[in-house]
Amino acid sequence: DTAVSQTPKYLVTQMGNDKSIKCEQNLGHDTMYWYKQDSKKFLKIMFSYNNKELIINETVPNRFSPKSPDKAHLNLHINSLELGDSAVYFCASSHGTPAETQYFGPGTRLLVL
Amino acid sequence: AQSVTQLDSQVPVFEEAPVELRCNYSSSVSVYLFWYVQYPNQGLQLLLKYLSGSTLVKGINGFEAEFNKSQTSFHLRKPSVHISDTAEYFCAFGGLTGGGNKLTFGTGTQLKVEL
Repeated sequence: DTAVSQTPKYLVTQMGNDKSIKCEQNLGHDTMYWYKQDSKKFLKIMFSYNNKELIINETVPNRFSPKSPDKAHLNLHINSLELGDSAVYFCASSHGTPAETQYFGPGTRLLVL
Repeated sequence: AQSVTQLDSQVPVFEEAPVELRCNYSSSVSVYLFWYVQYPNQGLQLLLKYLSGSTLVKGINGFEAEFNKSQTSFHLRKPSVHISDTAEYFCAFGGLTGGGNKLTFGTGTQLKVEL
């Protein structure tokens, strides 16, 4: 059984389009995250949600809007895509303390042309 | 501010040789340190973590790491690597920011195991 799943796995789109990435976890965790991995493999947190409430927003452009309909889902909508948005986006989940292991999804590879 | 530094961007090593991947951290608060591995085109997977207690931490796939408070280091080691260990390895610091917990990652070390 997949613990953290993301769809789609690959996303190729034109500049200016709007796209969404979905994430679901079946681990019973109360906290979910979005990370961005750039072309140099550097990973940086974008958002975290705890019990459907936005907790962390790390200076991400407001073209990025996360939405958590329930504790098991965290979606990421991106408006007006730019070339610089090309990256791998990872969803993760954990229990809500810094000592807890975060479990990562397989990633969504976004390419903006 | 909390930060993690991985000193080597790439580490080539022959199969069955030992390897050490270096990680140094900077923090003025409680330390939670993690090593994650990312195999090609996959997500990240936990190798091991240090929360407290014994400074030698054993993880999956024969990896271990030693927490050294005086040197602010958390180096990852394996006595004998295998081709299948070829991957990107990330050291990370777990902490709180703005009421929420997050992982702060190092820049990663590419381990390339050769025959």
